[in-house]
Amino acid sequence: EDKVVQSPLSLVVHEGDTVTLNCSYEVTNFRSLLWYKQEKKAPTFLFMLTSSGIEKKSGRLSSILDKKELSSILNITATQTGDSAIYLCAVVSLGAGNKLTFGGGTRVLVKP
Amino acid sequence: DGGITQSPKYLFRKEGQNVTLSCEQNLNHDAMYWYRQDPGQGLRLIYYSQIVNDFQKGDIAEGYSVSREKKESFPLTVTSAQKNPTAFYLCASSIGVAALSNQPQHFGDGTRLSIL
Repeated sequence: EDKVVQSPLSLVVHEGDTVTLNCSYEVTNFRSLLWYKQEKKAPTFLFMLTSSGIEKKSGRLSSILDKKELSSILNITATQTGDSAIYLCAVVSLGAGNKLTFGGGTRVLVKP
Repeated sequence: DGGITQSPKYLFRKEGQNVTLSCEQNLNHDAMYWYRQDPGQGLRLIYYSQIVNDFQKGDIAEGYSVSREKKESFPLTVTSAQKNPTAFYLCASSIGVAALSNQPQHFGDGTRLSIL
């Protein structure tokens, strides 16, 4: 059974801090790993990672995949209160209709 | 604007009642998915459909049913057999099947279902 584990479960930081979120996975036939941000409703897509060691960056957010360690990290620098959300990691496995297996999420609270 | 529309936003179910959650997309996506999210947990897959008139069970299909008669629509019925239906339900869609597509799933705004 495919498994995705995220850590920490939750964290509280102050504006300007840097945050690192972790995602580890055990899946058969790995295809890609995705990060989503969920505020109140729909998860919004952040990154898709398929190749090891190549950093993807969007503004203050960045992410990298390590296929050897079966893990990924999501970094948020210079955090703002608008970064408060649940961050979800999901893995796509081949041969399963593009099915995503989600981790439990990391809840981030950024205080002013 | 293209997107995924879920309705209603909030739904209450009485004991022994079946309820249907609507999901419509105008993105021309082939694949559609239903997830359930419980407090403090990630998303779990209920059903998915890669093409019209075909769908597959996900990890927690018991007590749920779906249909895919049109490409743009993938309604989910929560039956009375689902004993713990209170949850946040999310519908998603993506361009195509895994072998040919490496595109992310996009989500609707969700339906929150509660028991009366």
